[in-house]
Amino acid sequence: TQLLEQSPQFLSIQEGENLTVYCNSSSVFSSLQWYRQEPGEGPVLLVTVVTGGEVKKLKRLTFQFGDARKDSSLHITAAQPGDTGLYLCAADNNAGNMLTFGGGTRLMVKP
Amino acid sequence: DTAVSQTPKYLVTQMGNDKSIKCEQNLGHDTMYWYKQDSKKFLKIMFSYNNKELIINETVPNRFSPKSPDKAHLNLHINSLELGDSAVYFCASSRDLSGGAYEQFFGPGTRLTVL
Repeated sequence: TQLLEQSPQFLSIQEGENLTVYCNSSSVFSSLQWYRQEPGEGPVLLVTVVTGGEVKKLKRLTFQFGDARKDSSLHITAAQPGDTGLYLCAADNNAGNMLTFGGGTRLMVKP
Repeated sequence: DTAVSQTPKYLVTQMGNDKSIKCEQNLGHDTMYWYKQDSKKFLKIMFSYNNKELIINETVPNRFSPKSPDKAHLNLHINSLELGDSAVYFCASSRDLSGGAYEQFFGPGTRLTVL
């Protein structure tokens, strides 16, 4: 079983639509990160959330860390084709010395 | 300037061979990592390494071994390659060995195909 469960696994939408991606766990984390990976490249960090209930915005992307620090969401407003990619959430393992990734959400935004 | 680089980009080899993947970072980071991404895009940590300790994910076969000639390099050696080793391997680095506390910078990946 994965430490971090992401949903949905796949999402195909039209340009201009809104979407939300979820990252859930039964574990409590000191911090949680979101990465985006484009085909043929490595993941790139989008944001790190640290405080329970924290909300961070990155242009049209809004990230929220759950109050109990067990889950997080990523909301994209007015999606664009350039948002297409694999979105990964990641958090410390229990020992705090390794990063564990969720299974990812593959997003495709059609023009 | 490339922050984290890997060579080769693609590696095709026969089962049973031994191969190496090189990784270099010019960020001055103390910690480097190796990840394996399977065909379903699941990204799994293999090793965390800095000048103080090597942390090995217990699920990694001992055919895989990281070698660090200096702080800027962490190479991955794989012995007796198996079909199931086919995947994309990513090197990454971060400022310190603290899991999710620091941003990890990833290389472009090495696609390994074992025939």
